Amino acid sequence: KAGVTQTPRYLIKTRGQQVTLSCSPISGHRSVSWYQQTPGQGLQFLFEYFSETQRNKGNFPGRFSGRQFSNSRSEMNVSTLELGDSALYLCASSQGQTDSPLHFGNGTRLTVT
Amino acid sequence: AQSVTQPDIHITVSEGASLELRCNYSYGATPYLFWYVQSPGQGLQLLLKYFSGDTLVQGIKGFEAEFKRSQSSFNLRKPSVHWSDAAEYFCALSGTYKYIFGTGTRLKVLA
Repeated sequence: KAGVTQTPRYLIKTRGQQVTLSCSPISGHRSVSWYQQTPGQGLQFLFEYFSETQRNKGNFPGRFSGRQFSNSRSEMNVSTLELGDSALYLCASSQGQTDSPLHFGNGTRLTVT
Repeated sequence: AQSVTQPDIHITVSEGASLELRCNYSYGATPYLFWYVQSPGQGLQLLLKYFSGDTLVQGIKGFEAEFKRSQSSFNLRKPSVHWSDAAEYFCALSGTYKYIFGTGTRLKVLA
C-alpha cells in the first residue's frame, strides 16, 4: 500500500498570502487529521475529518481551515499568513476508531517571510 | 484534563547502552497509548501501541514499553541502542477524534 502523501514538501510564502496544503491518505483510510509541529510547541492538533465531516478541531484561529473530499483526500488552507505560521504541517490518516494508529506523511515545511 | 508529559527533552546514550524514555499521561479512563519516532525531515513512524491486556508491549526495531497504571506511565525501553536510533521520540494517547502528543525526547547516540 502506498503511504500518506503530502504535497508540496516545501513552501515559502509572504505574510498576508494564503496557502493550501494537500494530503492523500492510505487507501481505505477514511480519517485524516492535521497537526502543526514547531520546535517550541511540539505537535498541535488542528482538525480531524472522517467521511467528509469534521469531527474535532483544535485551538487554532479561523484562518486555519480544512476539508475532506469524497475520496478521503484532504486539504488544509491557511489564510492571511503570519510569521508564526512557519512550521512543519503533518497529515495523518487512520481507519478512524479510537484505537486506530495514525499513519503520517512526511509533512509540508511552510516558511512565512 | 487529558495530557501527555515527556520529562526529558534531550537524552544522550552511548551505542550499545540501554535506553529508557519516560512518558506520563493524564486520562480519565484506560488510555490507548502509542510511541512514535521521527527522523529528521520525516513524518512520525509508529513504534508500538498499548490498548489493554499485557502491560509489556513489544514494538518494532527492538523497542518495548511498559504500561503502569499506578504510576500513569508508559516508558519506552531498548536493551542496546544502535547509532541509527538517534531521532526524536513522541509518546501519545488517543482521545476523542484526536491524538495528544508529548513534546518529544530527542535521543543522541554516541559512537
